[in-house]
Amino acid sequence: GENVEQHPSTLSVQEGDSAVIKCTYSDSASNYFPWYKQELGKRPQLIIDIRSNVGEKKDQRIAVTLNKTAKHFSLHITETQPEDSAVYFCAASLNNNNDMRFGAGTRLTVKP
Amino acid sequence: SAVISQKPSRDICQRGTSLTIQCQVDSQVTMMFWYRQQPGQSLTLIATANQGSEATYESGFVIDKFPISRPNLTFSTLTVSNMSPEDSSIYLCSVAIYNEQFFGPGTRLTVL
Repeated sequence: GENVEQHPSTLSVQEGDSAVIKCTYSDSASNYFPWYKQELGKRPQLIIDIRSNVGEKKDQRIAVTLNKTAKHFSLHITETQPEDSAVYFCAASLNNNNDMRFGAGTRLTVKP
Repeated sequence: SAVISQKPSRDICQRGTSLTIQCQVDSQVTMMFWYRQQPGQSLTLIATANQGSEATYESGFVIDKFPISRPNLTFSTLTVSNMSPEDSSIYLCSVAIYNEQFFGPGTRLTVL
């Protein structure tokens, strides 16, 4: 089955700096790669996703890149703000939402 | 998106007892999922519940321990049976709508 690895497990940045979180996946057939943000005590919220037919997607300060050959994808947050502090999870699945596997998570802290 | 509610939001139970968690969605959905999130950990898929068929369980999860019902397209239940302290966790339901997956608020279970 699919195996998703996520790095780093913790990340601390200064407000205004950029943050990058990286994930790798094992199943070359996976075609959907969402990113979730989970604030303390709250549910995971989808923040951006990318499908295997594109290499990059951007939404304001957030961007995701996908390298299908290398089987890795990354989340980029620019101009970080304290409210970006949360745990971020990457995931990979085949056929959109079937059998979605999550990475271990990255705890991002943005220091003011 | 979808409005997803879960009951109860939290509970404290004695070992050996069972707890049934309810998940209600405000729209009809084909696929519903049940996840477990242990403290400080990632999300682990327990099973996929489709209306009109038996739930499909992931490796390490069995129907006798986690029976699931899916009586209609807006509702599902997950029962945690014969609980032990190792079952202490947050249990989340999620649904797939328009190729995106949305999570319920979670049920925080503590087993003494």
